[in-house]
Amino acid sequence: DIVMTQSPDSLAVSLGERATINCKSSQSVLSSSSNRNYLAWYQQKPGQSPKLLIYGASTRESGVPDRFSGSGSGTDFTLTISSLQAEDVAFYYCHQYYSNPVTFGGGTKVEIK
Amino acid sequence: EVQLVESGGDLVQPGGSLRLSCAASGFTFSSYWMYWVRQVPGKGLVWVSHINPDGSSISYEDSVKGRFTISRDNAKNTLYLQMSSLRAEDTAVYYCVKGTLWGQGTLVTVSS
Repeated sequence: DIVMTQSPDSLAVSLGERATINCKSSQSVLSSSSNRNYLAWYQQKPGQSPKLLIYGASTRESGVPDRFSGSGSGTDFTLTISSLQAEDVAFYYCHQYYSNPVTFGGGTKVEIK
Repeated sequence: EVQLVESGGDLVQPGGSLRLSCAASGFTFSSYWMYWVRQVPGKGLVWVSHINPDGSSISYEDSVKGRFTISRDNAKNTLYLQMSSLRAEDTAVYYCVKGTLWGQGTLVTVSS
């Protein structure tokens, strides 16, 4: 199974400042045939299901604010919130859907400093 | 609209059984691998089981093997999870997932 290691576990950032979350996979999630990374990022608020932010490591889902961006390839990935807003307080998870079983990072709690 | 809608979650006693359903719409259900993922309240996301498009390839997380059965009815665009011998540690929100598309989840509570 591919192990997804997410860091940090929690993060406190001032409003308007940058938040950076890292995710490392134990094996590459880059498909050589499609040249796509099968890596997604989700935001989850209490009582809600995970909301897709980024897929393919860097493609923003429709309707997601452009302050959210994803980068990386192979085994190392980053989710960046360029200017943290109050409504961004949530848990964030990375998810590899390259191989079965699908696996998830442990989550990062983002709070306001 | 492309969506997944779970149902069937309930309060059940330890040792009991429950069947979850996931109704799919807006895409060709019979073409996709489907997954069940669960989340214990306050904890992270954990894969439970998956099934390939024609139902011939199935896999389970170790803690549910022999107790849970995943299945699908492609004619009804529905995914199922039959859960038996339920334990307190099975208490969780269960999500139906296709790729990066998630349902809203259904809560299973195992308690006496």
